[in-house]
Amino acid sequence: SQTIHQWPATLVQPVGSPLSLECTVEGTSNPNLYWYRQAAGRGLQLLFYSVGIGQISSEVPQNLSASRPQDRQFILSSKKLLLSDSGFYLCAWNFANIQYFGAGTRLSVL
Amino acid sequence: GQQLNQSPQSMFIQEGEDVSMNCTSSSIFNTWLWYKQDPGEGPVLLIALYKAGELTSNGRLTAQFGITRKDSFLNISASIPSDVGIYFCAGQINNNDMRFGAGTRLTVKP
Repeated sequence: SQTIHQWPATLVQPVGSPLSLECTVEGTSNPNLYWYRQAAGRGLQLLFYSVGIGQISSEVPQNLSASRPQDRQFILSSKKLLLSDSGFYLCAWNFANIQYFGAGTRLSVL
Repeated sequence: GQQLNQSPQSMFIQEGEDVSMNCTSSSIFNTWLWYKQDPGEGPVLLIALYKAGELTSNGRLTAQFGITRKDSFLNISASIPSDVGIYFCAGQINNNDMRFGAGTRLTVKP
């Protein structure tokens, strides 16, 4: 069966520090992968999606970037975090028109 | 992308009561999905709807894909304490275009 892993679960970073969040999927090949951000009490905002290795589409211009170095690996990065980058980050993959989510990473930028 | 209009924003109900929530949009969708999110976790799929008029149940949960393809509702019957959480609707146009409602926060009082 397919599973999706996201880490770390929580992260506290100072303003101006770099960021790297990782997401991996098991049990499938060439999945569509997604990064979302969820502000407190709000819905999900799509940040990036990828249909294959090295293919990244950005939905929202911002301080973040994404990379897909391997088929089942999706990374969310930043060179310098801002206070406004705080939030709950979710990775997802798509199967049969349904998106399945990881457990999320709670990022606090202080 | 534009968020869906989900209501109500929050509900406080007594255990055993029925719950109803809905999502509307000005856009037409090919798939409607309902997710539940527990605190600090990623959303988990509850029900997927694939064609207009479709009515689908999952235990005490029932959801319908509106005839106009612009709306959907979710009903929960005989609520129990573990129903507590945030419920999200999602409308999908294609694999990489999914819109989310802002969520309905459900509180169940024993």
